[in-house]
Parts: sequence; C-alpha cells; structure tokens
Amino acid sequence: DAEITQSPRHKIIETGRQVTLACHQTWNHNNMFWYRQDLGHGLRLIHYSYGVHDTNKGEVSDGYSVSRSNTEDLPLTLESAASSQTSVYFCASSESVRGNEQFFGPGTRLTVL
Amino acid sequence: GENVEQHPSTLSVQEGDSAVIKCTYSDSASNYFPWYKQELGKRPQLIIDIRSNVGEKKDQRIAVTLNKTAKHFSLHITETQPEDSAVYFCAASGGGGNKLTFGTGTQLKVEL
Repeated sequence: DAEITQSPRHKIIETGRQVTLACHQTWNHNNMFWYRQDLGHGLRLIHYSYGVHDTNKGEVSDGYSVSRSNTEDLPLTLESAASSQTSVYFCASSESVRGNEQFFGPGTRLTVL
Repeated sequence: GENVEQHPSTLSVQEGDSAVIKCTYSDSASNYFPWYKQELGKRPQLIIDIRSNVGEKKDQRIAVTLNKTAKHFSLHITETQPEDSAVYFCAASGGGGNKLTFGTGTQLKVEL
C-alpha cells in the first residue's frame, strides 16, 4: 500500500548540531509539506514543495531548509539546531489538484538540548 | 497571508450531546476548508472538508457549514461518543496553491 513515512521517529540532539529529518511518500504526490506542532500554536508550515526542484518558505522557515531532488522525498534540515526548535515535526503530501486532502506522516519528535 | 482563528480551545460535552467548533479565516480567496482529527500521539487525519461552492456538507454524525460572506465555517458533531475525544483542527487554503493554514486546535473531551 502507498504510504508516507518519516524517520527518525524520535531524536535528541545538542544545540548547534545539524540534523536532517526524512520524509518519504509512495503516492507519487507532487505536493509535499513540512509542519511543526507546538502546544497552543497548532500546525505551522515550515517549507513546502510543488514538485521536483521546487521549494517555498512557509510562515516559520527561519533555521530550516529543504531540497526536492525527486518526487518521493522532501528532507528537512536544521542547520544549527536551537532549543526553540524542540517540537513535533509532521510531513504531509497531496495531489496537485487544488484543495486535495493532505496525508500526514507519523511525525518526528525532536528534542534539542 | 491567510489567518485562521479557531474557538473554543477546549470543549467538554456529555456523551450524546452535540459539539460545535468554529473557525474564521481572513483570505476571501480561500476556497477549500478541511477539518482534521488528531488523537493523542497520532497523526492528523482528515474527517471532512468543504469547498467554497457548497454551504453545508454532512457525513453521518459530522457536518460542516460554510458562510463565505462572513468568512467563517463550523464543525458540528452530533450524538458524541467517547471515541470522538481528540484535538480537532480547522484549516483554509489561501488564494495561492495547495498550502493550508491551520487553526490552533480544539481539545474535545466527551464525558460518560
């Protein structure tokens, strides 16, 4: 069955370290999204992509980067992790047709100490 | 950009009662309004959505209404059950592309 996966599921890193969170989908969706979820803030968009080599900044993109080299993957990189980036990160994907359902991955819980 | 406000932040109802969650949005060009349910420790999952050319949509015990003039939409859950206890998020797609802006969530608790 087609699915969307994230790895790792849990990660603890030290402040200042670089970390990459993986997102992989097998639906062949063109649209992929990264969100962070924090209590009281809901889901906030970090970066998104509408296809290979396309990337766009969301509302909370500072300190994060993404690249899209193929349809299936959108890795999220924290260049120099800060304690404020401790959060649960969700990846999602959707078809190209406007307004289609976004399917979420299982999430990655990241702790920055 | 789009701004979505959601109320209330917490809602407690007795089993069998109805629950209503309300959202407002700012971008008049938004035309897609999904609702997601997130159980504790799980991923958000779509439960119902509505597009701007429709005023109301029902799916068994769940319904969503949309008022484009007032820029607000609501989720209605009837005959609530304990398994309805979760966090519910509304969202709106802005005038440009498929990205969604989410509300801050409503923690629904259905008490026996």
